[in-house]
Amino acid sequence: DADVTQTPRNRITKTGKRIMLECSQTKGHDRMYWYRQDPGLGLQLIYYSFDVKDINKGEISDGYSVSRQAQAKFSLSLESAIPNQTALYFCATSDNRVKTGELFFGEGSRLTVL
Amino acid sequence: AQSVTQLDSHVSVSEGTPVLLRCNYSSSYSPSLFWYVQHPNKGLQLLLKYTSAATLVKGINGFEAEFKKSETSFHLTKPSAHMSDAAEYFCVVSDRKYGGSQGNLIFGKGTKLSVKP
Repeated sequence: DADVTQTPRNRITKTGKRIMLECSQTKGHDRMYWYRQDPGLGLQLIYYSFDVKDINKGEISDGYSVSRQAQAKFSLSLESAIPNQTALYFCATSDNRVKTGELFFGEGSRLTVL
Repeated sequence: AQSVTQLDSHVSVSEGTPVLLRCNYSSSYSPSLFWYVQHPNKGLQLLLKYTSAATLVKGINGFEAEFKKSETSFHLTKPSAHMSDAAEYFCVVSDRKYGGSQGNLIFGKGTKLSVKP
């Protein structure tokens, strides 16, 4: 089983719908992140959380919200989806005990907003 | 502000020939630099990282990168390409803007590597 699991892996929805992407991890890491990937643009940080009580906005948080339900779970919500939120979304974790440590990624959730 | 530029959006090599993926960075601090690889329909995986120790960094699958401060570069190389190396590669620089010992990571736009038989 994957250490970082994202659900759903693929989702097609309509403009205005509420969407939740879920992420769970078994690595025991405190830090969790949500990134968005668009072709040719690399990854952009949406939100990050350094522990259950700590939530922070990233570069592109407008139109998104998150919830850190537990150390192992971090969900991303689009309250009212719009077509330019069509993208590949990645959840990632890192170990706060490792300075400049690596990120561990899920396999991504592909979202299409019609 | 920190930034990273991957100089080629697409690189094509023949199997068995050398690979060079170029990355330049801009940083106000002593940066940490990373290369990540993304295979089709997969998440990103760390290839190697530089964190102010040895300037020549060896990673997985025969890849290595050299940190050159004078050139602000961190190019990724491999002596002999394999078909399984076909993927997208991201150069990443650390950015302490978002706080914490790790801070945020600034991703390059990616270089897609194709390997011809």
